[in-house]
Amino acid sequence: QKEVEQNSGPLSVPEGAIASLNCTYSDRGSQSFFWYRQYSGKSPELIMFIYSNGDKEDGRFTAQLNKASQYVSLLIRDSQPSDSATYLCAVNWEEEYGNKLVFGAGTILRVKS
Amino acid sequence: SQTIHQWPATLVQPVGSPLSLECTVEGTSNPNLYWYRQAAGRGLQLLFYSVGIGQISSEVPQNLSASRPQDRQFILSSKKLLLSDSGFYLCAWSAAYNSPLHFGNGTRLTVT
Repeated sequence: QKEVEQNSGPLSVPEGAIASLNCTYSDRGSQSFFWYRQYSGKSPELIMFIYSNGDKEDGRFTAQLNKASQYVSLLIRDSQPSDSATYLCAVNWEEEYGNKLVFGAGTILRVKS
Repeated sequence: SQTIHQWPATLVQPVGSPLSLECTVEGTSNPNLYWYRQAAGRGLQLLFYSVGIGQISSEVPQNLSASRPQDRQFILSSKKLLLSDSGFYLCAWSAAYNSPLHFGNGTRLTVT
């Protein structure tokens, strides 16, 4: 069973702080990793993806991947109230008939002004 | 640019009634297509995915089915809805292996 685990939160951070969101996955064969943001009542939107070990930065967001530890994280610098949402970690697995994305249950982030 | 259309946005159906949700993608060819369901306060559950016309992989069959009659069209169906079918249904597409998924706006289904 392929599993993706996230702390459900809520994670509360003050405005301007760094928010750190974590995710672990069960299958060492996974090749690609994604972070999505979902506002209440809306569909998920892609924030970042990462394929290689190390850090990948995009504006205020940094994704970190450690395949040996089966761990991927998302850092949000200078957190804003508009960042308050549920953050979903997703891991790609290859199957016989294509690939599929398995999602964690999500971490609720609350940024307090 | 690519766009994904999903309809209807909201739907209220009685138990035992049929269901048909449709999703179409524009601006790309031979996309991978997906149906996910999200129960209230829960994560995304993969229901079906397809890599080509007529090919469907089922994750959670139960009383739901999916079809792909055309390259960029994906349909989710049920002959008889259950109360437990209530949820937020999301269609998504990706370009190729390892590519990100892009979601439609979703259909909120309430079975009464």
